[in-house]
Amino acid sequence: GAVVSQHPSWVICKSGTSVKIECRSLDFQATTMFWYRQFPKQSLMLMATSNEGSKATYEQGVEKDKFLINHASLTLSTLTVTSAHPEDSSFYICSARDWGGNTDTQYFGPGTRLTVL
Amino acid sequence: GENVEQHPSTLSVQEGDSAVIKCTYSDSASNYFPWYKQELGKRPQLIIDIRSNVGEKKDQRIAVTLNKTAKHFSLHITETQPEDSAVYFCAAERMDSNYQLIWGAGTKLIIKP
Repeated sequence: GAVVSQHPSWVICKSGTSVKIECRSLDFQATTMFWYRQFPKQSLMLMATSNEGSKATYEQGVEKDKFLINHASLTLSTLTVTSAHPEDSSFYICSARDWGGNTDTQYFGPGTRLTVL
Repeated sequence: GENVEQHPSTLSVQEGDSAVIKCTYSDSASNYFPWYKQELGKRPQLIIDIRSNVGEKKDQRIAVTLNKTAKHFSLHITETQPEDSAVYFCAAERMDSNYQLIWGAGTKLIIKP
């Protein structure tokens, strides 16, 4: 299957600082990427859909000014958690849509565990 | 909008036995249904998927069945092994917006030795 990387794998930061998470599709171009948040023992919660060259589409209840998404190239999307607070601590996972020919599948990055002190 | 329900939330089976996880979806226009396996602290991994133009798909010990009329699909794992222990998520592709996946709540599968 296709490979998606995510960096960093974990980060600890102080309250009030901003954290940037990168999601890269390594062997395919992804016009669409998705950002999820996952709490312990729960399902994936879609935060936003990131489309290359256009503004992200945010799910209801997700603050777009707090979770900034940029998809500037066909292989990179970034999520910036601005002015992070302890309640933002979570596991953030991206996925990238690989489509073309007979393929249309989402592949996931390894996730980023964010801890805000 | 689309809604996906998944059952059971926890499933414990003896090693070597079969496991079945079921999902139902609400949007009859959905046409893509993947299953993902997630081990603790790791990324979800696609294990099998099915599109609405077929009723069944099999890959070694794993199979998925789809009943479009009833709007449900199931994951079948035969000859279960300890490494099958994980959380399994079903999903349905949302047709009205950007190929988003609507996720089930997950099933924790425990394989007892």
